[in-house]
Amino acid sequence: GESVGLHLPTLSVQEGDNSIINCAYSNSASDYFIWYKQESGKGPQFIIDIRSNMDKRQGQRVTVLLNKTVKHLSLQIAATQPGDSAVYFCAENGYSGGYQKVTFGTGTKLQVIP
Amino acid sequence: EAQVTQNPRYLITVTGKKLTVTCSQNMNHEYMSWYRQDPGLGLRQIYYSMNVEVTDKGDVPEGYKVSRKEKRNFPLILESPSPNQTSLYFCASSPTGFLNTEAFFGQGTRLTVV
Repeated sequence: GESVGLHLPTLSVQEGDNSIINCAYSNSASDYFIWYKQESGKGPQFIIDIRSNMDKRQGQRVTVLLNKTVKHLSLQIAATQPGDSAVYFCAENGYSGGYQKVTFGTGTKLQVIP
Repeated sequence: EAQVTQNPRYLITVTGKKLTVTCSQNMNHEYMSWYRQDPGLGLRQIYYSMNVEVTDKGDVPEGYKVSRKEKRNFPLILESPSPNQTSLYFCASSPTGFLNTEAFFGQGTRLTVV
């Protein structure tokens, strides 16, 4: 399958454990953030989003935490399953030169060990 | 099923031979966009379209063209491909521009220019 995971940081997690994937963003004016999951051979898929007026949002088995003070975003996956193996990357909606702009992170590869 | 469809999935071509990668969405989305994905880099926007007959350059538009004659289709055209355009390409769509909402991505097109 198609992947751009050749030089990505990798997180290996035992099946059933919790996973935490981190993302540092650059623009303090960013006001909307998304986590995407990209499985091998597939396009990115939306997981969860959060707006800058929140610091935590929960979905099904996933939680996103936003720390605006240090410009840090994290994705927590509870009870990680083999199907969670993928590349995860964040996206930030910020402002550049007066225009809104979406910037994507490079990603973290999650490997789930059965 | 709601989806973004790209064709072809894989393409090998020679330098200078014009090619078109098609993208179609069935969700009646106004906003469509093309990205390229390279190892060690996040998704980079090539071109985007806010609506029919409205297109604009993204971050890396050189060597590419697009058109938006119909709402559902947004083809990417490489008039004279070069080896530095070897990459994984994704088309995406969203209801009103994904600065504040998730984007739906196609499966990707792996292009190799020799």
